[in-house]
Amino acid sequence: DGGITQSPKYLFRKEGQNVTLSCEQNLNHDAMYWYRQDPGQGLRLIYYSQIVNDFQKGDIAEGYSVSREKKESFPLTVTSAQKNPTAFYLCASSILAGLYNEQFFGPGTRLTVL
Amino acid sequence: AQKITQTQPGMFVQEKEAVTLDCTYDTSDQSYGLFWYKQPSSGEMIFLIYQGSYDEQNATEGRYSLNFQKARKSANLVISASQLGDSAMYFCAMTEGQSYNTDKLIFGTGTRLQVFP
Repeated sequence: DGGITQSPKYLFRKEGQNVTLSCEQNLNHDAMYWYRQDPGQGLRLIYYSQIVNDFQKGDIAEGYSVSREKKESFPLTVTSAQKNPTAFYLCASSILAGLYNEQFFGPGTRLTVL
Repeated sequence: AQKITQTQPGMFVQEKEAVTLDCTYDTSDQSYGLFWYKQPSSGEMIFLIYQGSYDEQNATEGRYSLNFQKARKSANLVISASQLGDSAMYFCAMTEGQSYNTDKLIFGTGTRLQVFP
């Protein structure tokens, strides 16, 4: 089945440690996105990528880094510079065909920094 | 700057009744897309329906319809014949910017819908 996988579902880390969240898609989508969701709030864009080896900052990129070495993969690293990393992280992808296209989301990773 | 506003933090509806979830938006762009997503307690975002700014007819997808009023900048979601499984958070979103080759979205804060028997 085609879809987006994120791993792990729950992640615990100590303060000051970097952590990498995995996102893989087999939908052959061009674009991939990372969002952060805090309780009672909507999604905020961290980074997005429209093509391999290229990515752009979203609204809240500080303290995060990404790579796009393969079309299928878009890992997100939460660095120690991120002041409040505990949140729910969602990865998405879209096909970029036509004018506007819906984004397909993965199941999310809930990160807790202790 | 573009903005999505969902003024209803929570809504209750009885099973089999219809419910309207409000969404207003602010943009100076002439061309844009509007989306609704459902987020169950599991956390995954599920695409429900899409409306393009130049679409003359309101979008419909099964029990979901989008009441698009362009002059009022509103894009309300109507769920007909509510089911218990419709209980979830619902997010309104719109495309950011007019670039053809991007699907960047901005999201509202969501409405929690609870369907009771």
